[in-house]
Amino acid sequence: DGGITQSPKYLFRKEGQNVTLSCEQNLNHDAMYWYRQDPGQGLRLIYYSQIVNDFQKGDIAEGYSVSREKKESFPLTVTSAQKNPTAFYLCASGTGGKMNTEAFFGQGTRLTVV
Amino acid sequence: GNSVTQMEGPVTLSEEAFLTINCTYTATGYPSLFWYVQYPGEGLQLLLKATKADDKGSNKGFEATYRKETTSFHLEKGSVQVSDSAVYFCASKGGNSGGSNYKLTFGKGTLLTVNP
Repeated sequence: DGGITQSPKYLFRKEGQNVTLSCEQNLNHDAMYWYRQDPGQGLRLIYYSQIVNDFQKGDIAEGYSVSREKKESFPLTVTSAQKNPTAFYLCASGTGGKMNTEAFFGQGTRLTVV
Repeated sequence: GNSVTQMEGPVTLSEEAFLTINCTYTATGYPSLFWYVQYPGEGLQLLLKATKADDKGSNKGFEATYRKETTSFHLEKGSVQVSDSAVYFCASKGGNSGGSNYKLTFGKGTLLTVNP
């Protein structure tokens, strides 16, 4: 089946450790996105990538890093510099450059830092 | 860039009641507009979309009309069911001169609870 796979669904880490969230898609989409969701704040864009080997900062990129070495994969690293990393992280993909096309979302990863 | 403002929740309705969730947008041009739905513990699913003024998006009994005069895209359903309980997000994409067409901008979400 085509879709977006995020893993793991739940992730626990100790404060000060870096952690990498996986996102894979087999929809042949050029664009991929990472959003962070906090209660009452909606979705905020962390990073997005329009094409392989290229990515741009979103609205809240500080403390995060990404790579886009393959079209299918867009992993997000939450570094120890992120002051409040506990959140629900959503990955999405889409055909990107066309204004009228929607994004498709994965099931999310809930990260808890203790 | 774009911004989206949607009705604060939570919204609590009885089954078969009429639903309206308000959404307005700001953009320098004419963005595409979307409604997404999120069930507990899951990602977002596209509910409907409209890509130009006066378009009406519809799906599963939900409707929304793109109104450029009022820069609005309100979500409506004539008779809600318990299974419609979820968080609903309004979003916009593109429509800014010189801006990126890649970014989806979301409202803060509206929690809907439908009681039997």
